[in-house]
Amino acid sequence: GDSVTQMEGPVTLSEEAFLTINCTYTATGYPSLFWYVQYPGEGLQLLLKATKADDKGSNKGFEATYRKETTSFHLEKGSVQVSDSAVYFCALSDGSNYKLTFGKGTLLTVNP
Amino acid sequence: KAGVTQTPRYLIKTRGQQVTLSCSPISGHRSVSWYQQTPGQGLQFLFEYFSETQRNKGNFPGRFSGRQFSNSRSEMNVSTLELGDSALYLCASSLDRQGTEAFFGQGTRLTVV
Repeated sequence: GDSVTQMEGPVTLSEEAFLTINCTYTATGYPSLFWYVQYPGEGLQLLLKATKADDKGSNKGFEATYRKETTSFHLEKGSVQVSDSAVYFCALSDGSNYKLTFGKGTLLTVNP
Repeated sequence: KAGVTQTPRYLIKTRGQQVTLSCSPISGHRSVSWYQQTPGQGLQFLFEYFSETQRNKGNFPGRFSGRQFSNSRSEMNVSTLELGDSALYLCASSLDRQGTEAFFGQGTRLTVV
């Protein structure tokens, strides 16, 4: 079945540091890939998405590229802010089973 | 436009009781999904509904059930509550098209004591 593996946290960075959160997936067919973010006490918010190979999703300075050859969708940001502190989830949808499959989540803490 | 609305936000129930959670999707969205979030298991898919039909169900016992109404609003029910059912229950709505994102509500925090 489908699965998503993302790097274990927690990740602690200083403000303005470079961020990478690794995500790899296993799926049949050609899934759509997503990064969601969850702030304390909140639901999930879509951060970015990519629907086909080599697509780059971007939003609020975050980027991720759909790499079919390495089955990866790593999240990057060039300069993190304290307000980026949250839990980040990588997820996929293969479109045929009407559900999202999530990674375990990575807690990011950014210190001033 | 209004987002996904889940009620109630918080619930405390006793073992053995049953509970019903409600979800109102974004206007125009006909697909509604439910997820359970716990620290140990992460986010797990419960079920998905479209036009009042359940199209997929996750690997949960029969105590977990759901339904969708003609206005796309959805409810999920958990009977004979166990301590392990304590979790954040998230509802998501989406357009029924490949590649479109799911929009999540703030969740219902269920505590079973």
